[in-house]
Amino acid sequence: DADVTQTPRNRITKTGKRIMLECSQTKGHDRMYWYRQDPGLGLRLIYYSFDVKDINKGEISDGYSVSRQAQAKFSLSLESAIPNQTALYFCATSSGTGGINYGYTFGSGTRLTVV
Amino acid sequence: GENVGLHLPTLSVQEGDNSIINCAYSNSASDYFIWYKQESGKGPQFIIDIRSNMDKRQGQRVTVLLNKTVKHLSLQIAATQPGDSAVYFCAENGAGGYNKLIFGAGTRLAVHP
Repeated sequence: DADVTQTPRNRITKTGKRIMLECSQTKGHDRMYWYRQDPGLGLRLIYYSFDVKDINKGEISDGYSVSRQAQAKFSLSLESAIPNQTALYFCATSSGTGGINYGYTFGSGTRLTVV
Repeated sequence: GENVGLHLPTLSVQEGDNSIINCAYSNSASDYFIWYKQESGKGPQFIIDIRSNMDKRQGQRVTVLLNKTVKHLSLQIAATQPGDSAVYFCAENGAGGYNKLIFGAGTRLAVHP
């Protein structure tokens, strides 16, 4: 099983619909992140959480919300999807203790298309 | 709109040649840098990292060079193989600490037989 699992892998939804992307991890990490990837723009941080009671906005949080249901689960919601939210979304975890790679582990991504 | 359909720069190399991928980082306070490889349909994978107290670090077939004066990072891949074809991007830790990484846009490496 993957260390960081994202569901669904692919999703097509209509404008105005609510959609939730889910992420679960078996790394035992406290820190979890949601990134968005668009062509030519790299990974941009949407929200991050350093523990179950901690939620922080990233650089592009407008139009998104998150929920940290447990240490192992961090979900991203689009309350009313719009076409420019079409992108590849990645969940990541990190140990938060420095060291090699800061302990970052990425999921395989969710490709979301809003029509 | 946000997504203007920008295309990644592409580096095309022949199999067996050496590849050099460059990255300009943004924050002079960054003291930790990482190179990632992203294959189609997969999440980013760690390749190699370097701290700001070093200017060179070698791994297996890969070398990272850091020039803090001009805020430039490069990844050298020796004897490039078809399996190296992917998007490569750098990351920096911004203002330091272990909070979160800032990622560059990436370069696509295409290896031709």
